[in-house]
Amino acid sequence: GIQVEQSPPDLILQEGANSTLRCNFSDSVNNLQWFHQNPWGQLINLFYIPSGTKQNGRLSATTVATERYSLLYISSSQTTDSGVYFCAVVSSRRDSNYQLIWGAGTKLIIKP
Amino acid sequence: EAQVTQNPRYLITVTGKKLTVTCSQNMNHEYMSWYRQDPGLGLRQIYYSMNVEVTDKGDVPEGYKVSRKEKRNFPLILESPSPNQTSLYFCASKPGRANTGELFFGEGSRLTVL
Repeated sequence: GIQVEQSPPDLILQEGANSTLRCNFSDSVNNLQWFHQNPWGQLINLFYIPSGTKQNGRLSATTVATERYSLLYISSSQTTDSGVYFCAVVSSRRDSNYQLIWGAGTKLIIKP
Repeated sequence: EAQVTQNPRYLITVTGKKLTVTCSQNMNHEYMSWYRQDPGLGLRQIYYSMNVEVTDKGDVPEGYKVSRKEKRNFPLILESPSPNQTSLYFCASKPGRANTGELFFGEGSRLTVL
């Protein structure tokens, strides 16, 4: 099945820094979403971005579907950005059952 | 407000005591699914439903049942919970039956089985 790899696995930054998180996937996808899981376990939808570029405030994302990767940019980090960031994809295969296949996540810690 | 609502959010129970985790969405979505999240194993799909009265197994269906009697609700039933079902559970939904579209997640239900 499709594989999803995220890097880096861990990232520690000072408040105000910028960061780039990467997601590589091994096959064509119909869906790619970025999530933030906060320390209370809630999954927060950041972007639905199977292709192209989107921006939402300090966050932006780019997916280059032909090259099978996506990037999540966080600018001017705040302590509330801490948590785990997941990339998840749905394979284009017809038998995918629209199941999201998840990367292992990037654990981000923002220090004040 | 468009949302997926799960209840309970937190539950501690004992082995063998039947429980139901409810999931309701107010977006008229056709597709709904359940995931569990475990350390080191990530999120795995338990069951999914393409529409009313249509359900099917995901990767880890053992020990769970679901029903889809109406479009908005997709309860997850643990007939006889066991400690290995201690986990963080998420319900998700999306519009349409096509193989595209954004999945919207509930806030999660943290279940502990003693």
